[in-house]
Amino acid sequence: GAVVSQHPSWVICKSGTSVKIECRSLDFQATTMFWYRQFPKQSLMLMATSNEGSKATYEQGVEKDKFLINHASLTLSTLTVTSAHPEDSSFYICSAMSPSGAKSKNIQYFGAGTRLSVL
Amino acid sequence: AQSVTQPDIHITVSEGASLELRCNYSYGATPYLFWYVQSPGQGLQLLLKYFSGDTLVQGIKGFEAEFKRSQSSFNLRKPSVHWSDAAEYFCAVGATGFQKLVFGTGTRLLVSP
Repeated sequence: GAVVSQHPSWVICKSGTSVKIECRSLDFQATTMFWYRQFPKQSLMLMATSNEGSKATYEQGVEKDKFLINHASLTLSTLTVTSAHPEDSSFYICSAMSPSGAKSKNIQYFGAGTRLSVL
Repeated sequence: AQSVTQPDIHITVSEGASLELRCNYSYGATPYLFWYVQSPGQGLQLLLKYFSGDTLVQGIKGFEAEFKRSQSSFNLRKPSVHWSDAAEYFCAVGATGFQKLVFGTGTRLLVSP
């Protein structure tokens, strides 16, 4: 299956600092990537849809100025948590949509996630 | 709007026994259905999917799922569970265009010796 790499896997930061998380599709070009947030023992909640070359589409209730998303290339999307606070501590997971021309099209392939701890 | 219900939060199965994880969905049109598995601290791995056609779909690791439109269900099954199957299982439904997945709350599978 397709490989999606997410980095870092774990980050600890001080309150008030910003953290950048990278999501890369290693063996396919992804025009669409997604960012999810997962609270302990809960399901994944979609935060935003990231489209290459355009602004991200945020879900209701997600602060776009807090969670900056950039999708500058077909293989890389980044999520920056700005001025992080303890309540931002969570597990963040990205996914990349396989292209429509692929054999396994329209499938979301997930990264391994990033655990963010804000002190 | 679509929604997914996984009624079982935890399930414990003996190794070698059969498994069925329940998933019910709500969606007005033909759904696109997925089962993903998540090991602790890891991302999600696709087990199988249903888009159309044969309602019994085969996936990786010996899993299968059956789409039953009349029951709005997409239950996951495995005839013989291995200890390595212990993980969190998520059912998800996608809207037309696949732009969004809505996940269920997950079922944690525990495998006893």
